[in-house]
Amino acid sequence: GNSVTQMEGPVTLSEEAFLTINCTYTATGYPSLFWYVQYPGEGLQLLLKATKADDKGSNKGFEATYRKETTSFHLEKGSVQVSDSAVYFCALIKSGTASKLTFGTGTRLQVTL
Amino acid sequence: DTGVSQDPRHKITKRGQNVTFRCDPISEHNRLYWYRQTLGQGPEFLTYFQNEAQLEKSRLLSNRFSAERPKGSFSTLEIQRTEQGDSAMYLCASSLVVPDTDTQYFGPGTRLTVL
Repeated sequence: GNSVTQMEGPVTLSEEAFLTINCTYTATGYPSLFWYVQYPGEGLQLLLKATKADDKGSNKGFEATYRKETTSFHLEKGSVQVSDSAVYFCALIKSGTASKLTFGTGTRLQVTL
Repeated sequence: DTGVSQDPRHKITKRGQNVTFRCDPISEHNRLYWYRQTLGQGPEFLTYFQNEAQLEKSRLLSNRFSAERPKGSFSTLEIQRTEQGDSAMYLCASSLVVPDTDTQYFGPGTRLTVL
């Protein structure tokens, strides 16, 4: 079946540091990949997505590249801010099916001044 | 477009009681999904609808759980005879099958606490 593995948190960084959150997946076929973010007390917000190999999703300074050869979709940001403190979820869906998302367990990011 | 809304945002109930949650999807979105999220975990799929038809149910959805989407718009999730293990955040999402097939938009969730 499908599964997503994320690096365990919490990840604690100083403001302006470089961020990487690792995500690898197991799936049949070619899934679409997503990063969602959950700020304290709020629901999930779509951060970025990629639908095929070598696609790069980007939004708000965050980027992730769909790597089929390594089955990975690592999230990166060059300079984090305190406001980026949240829980980040990697997820996949079987492409073109509009069916269920499979999520990782989430990685908490804490950014300090 | 006001996004996905859920009601109530919080529900505290005693074990054995029945609870019902409501989800209003983004207007014209034809797919609606329910997920459950426990503390420290990612959301887990429960069920989804296309219009009023329930297309898939997870084995997590025991016979105490029932979901409906009677007119293909809002949906309700009912839990009968609640147990402490039902305490979780219940998330609703919606999507438009065409053109952005795979992207789901989530509501704020309903946090259930069973005492």
